[in-house]
Amino acid sequence: AQTVTQSQPEMSVQEAETVTLSCTYDTSESDYYLFWYKQPPSRQMILVIRQEAYKQQNATENRFSVNFQKAAKSFSLKISDSQLGDAAMYFCAYRSQGNLIFGKGTKLSVKP
Amino acid sequence: GAVVSQHPSRVICKSGTSVKIECRSLDFQATTMFWYRQFPKQSLMLMATSNEGSKATYEQGVEKDKFLINHASLTLSTLTVTSAHPEDSSFYICSARPRALGGYTFGSGTRLTVV
Repeated sequence: AQTVTQSQPEMSVQEAETVTLSCTYDTSESDYYLFWYKQPPSRQMILVIRQEAYKQQNATENRFSVNFQKAAKSFSLKISDSQLGDAAMYFCAYRSQGNLIFGKGTKLSVKP
Repeated sequence: GAVVSQHPSRVICKSGTSVKIECRSLDFQATTMFWYRQFPKQSLMLMATSNEGSKATYEQGVEKDKFLINHASLTLSTLTVTSAHPEDSSFYICSARPRALGGYTFGSGTRLTVV
């Protein structure tokens, strides 16, 4: 069975600085998708970025980028120039054939 | 972009009553919808997957007779919590996957409190 592990329950970053959130996963499949979702206090799940496993190039969305290491089954999220609005829970998720499997989440705080 | 509307956002009900939560895809047809449950400060746990035209598939440990899921059309899925008890109090979130896209869109969630 696939599993997703986020080893950092909480992280903190100074405004305008860079922070990296870790995620590892376990799977025997070769074709899959990985996602990072943000859940602010409103609890609305917002897609931050996604990565197709067959693509070697790391996905980038403005200030958000990933470091996808397929062999190591690692999928970290880097947030550059952190903003106060980035404060939220961040969930790493894995998808193969069907539903999403979520990690336990990392609570990110941004200090002004 | 794809939008999923979930209602109600909050509901308080008495023990023993039933509550229905709706999830609608507003600008796309959803062949598959997912229902999650999220306890405070925890992750999302998949409860069931509903597919158009077929019965929902429930995850292990989820009582199908208690959590009735109906995928009535390509744009509507409902979750009915039957004979609700205080331990059913939680945050329920639906998600849909548009036909033509590979991503998932989430509803805004429903906070259920059973008193």
